[in-house]
Amino acid sequence: NAGVTQTPKFRVLKTGQSMTLLCAQDMNHEYMYWYRQDPGMGLRLIHYSVGEGTTAKGEVPDGYNVSRLKKQNFLLGLESAAPSQTSVYFCASSGLAGAGELFFGEGSRLTVL
Amino acid sequence: GQQVMQIPQYQHVQEGEDFTTYCNSSTTLSNIQWYKQRPGGHPVFLIQLVKSGEVKKQKRLTFQFGEAKKNSSLHITATQTTDVGTYFCAGPRDSSGSARQLTFGSGTQLTVLP
Repeated sequence: NAGVTQTPKFRVLKTGQSMTLLCAQDMNHEYMYWYRQDPGMGLRLIHYSVGEGTTAKGEVPDGYNVSRLKKQNFLLGLESAAPSQTSVYFCASSGLAGAGELFFGEGSRLTVL
Repeated sequence: GQQVMQIPQYQHVQEGEDFTTYCNSSTTLSNIQWYKQRPGGHPVFLIQLVKSGEVKKQKRLTFQFGEAKKNSSLHITATQTTDVGTYFCAGPRDSSGSARQLTFGSGTQLTVLP
């Protein structure tokens, strides 16, 4: 009954360091998403995937890369972290193409010093 | 691009009072979803509205979708402390409503005073 699992939950980076956030879902969902949440700005879509092997840019893709090598996993990478990337990152998945709810993970809080 | 505006940004109410948050889109939406996020938690789906003028109820929560499908509201009757959290509306980013790119409003943070 795990749903969507994100690792790590917390991370502190120095400017210029790289890291990868992992999202795993066990609901056999086709669609997966990475959002970032900043105070007063709601959730903004970074990248998304409509199926294994596919990725696409969202609203705020710059500075991030993603990969979907396996259907159940969606990775978000920061090649050279910047303080502006300090945020809470949420992964989500959905099973329906044109309708249906998003299932969110518990979030990953990233601080870039 | 499409924008989804949500007001108010913050709302403090006394327990037992009603609460309403409003969502307005710059474009016509094929559907709209509402989510609730408890403090320190993650967004949780509440409901989806699809039809023009649709009204749906979940216990003390009433959701409406405007006739023009450009606005929506969430009304909570007789708030309780368990209603505390941030309420987000979200609409499909593109006109087709497909590809599941949702644009989220900035949210309304509800505080309920006991």
